Amino acid sequence: KNQVEQSPQSLIILEGKNCTLQCNYTVSPFSNLRWYKQDTGRGPVSLTIMTFSENTKSNGRYTATLDADTKQSSLHITASQLSDSASYICVVSDNTDKLIFGTGTRLQVFP
Amino acid sequence: DAGITQSPRYKITETGRQVTLMCHQTWSHSYMFWYRQDLGHGLRLIYYSAAADITDKGEVPDGYVVSRSKTENFPLTLESATRSQTSVYFCASSDGSWGNTIYFGEGSWLTVV
Repeated sequence: KNQVEQSPQSLIILEGKNCTLQCNYTVSPFSNLRWYKQDTGRGPVSLTIMTFSENTKSNGRYTATLDADTKQSSLHITASQLSDSASYICVVSDNTDKLIFGTGTRLQVFP
Repeated sequence: DAGITQSPRYKITETGRQVTLMCHQTWSHSYMFWYRQDLGHGLRLIYYSAAADITDKGEVPDGYVVSRSKTENFPLTLESATRSQTSVYFCASSDGSWGNTIYFGEGSWLTVV
């Protein structure tokens, strides 16, 4: 069964610190992997989209990595800010372009 | 920019009532989607549309009806609401194939009592 699992479920860090969120998937065949940020009470907003051939992709302080061999991705947030407090959702697409959503990691950044 | 808007944002309705959630996008995107988001689940696709007058079922279509007479609008109707349809509903759109960025609306919070 195609699945996307994210860890940790929740994370608390202090402002200015770095953190890494994990995404493991069993989706096959693989098409692309996306990371979304969802603020409380808002819709998800796209951070990155990576295809099979891309290992790393950055969007400001957000850097996503992809290892298609081990079916793992990570989202690294550098020098966290209070505005980074949100849920981060990993989404994997198969070759029919069906999107399989993870349940997200809830990040809280405290001053 | 309010490229994709949903209404109402919040709705409380009674079991058995018909409810319609509206979705409007200003980008002329060909693809539009309806998802629901529940605790413990990732977003799940209800219905999608590749173009006006073309709609197709997603993962959880039962109890829902959609239409797309115009490119910019994609309403979702719950014909006879049930408590299990209490959820947050997100409309989304994309400018091309599924591989392109999908843009989400702000969500409609629906409670069925």
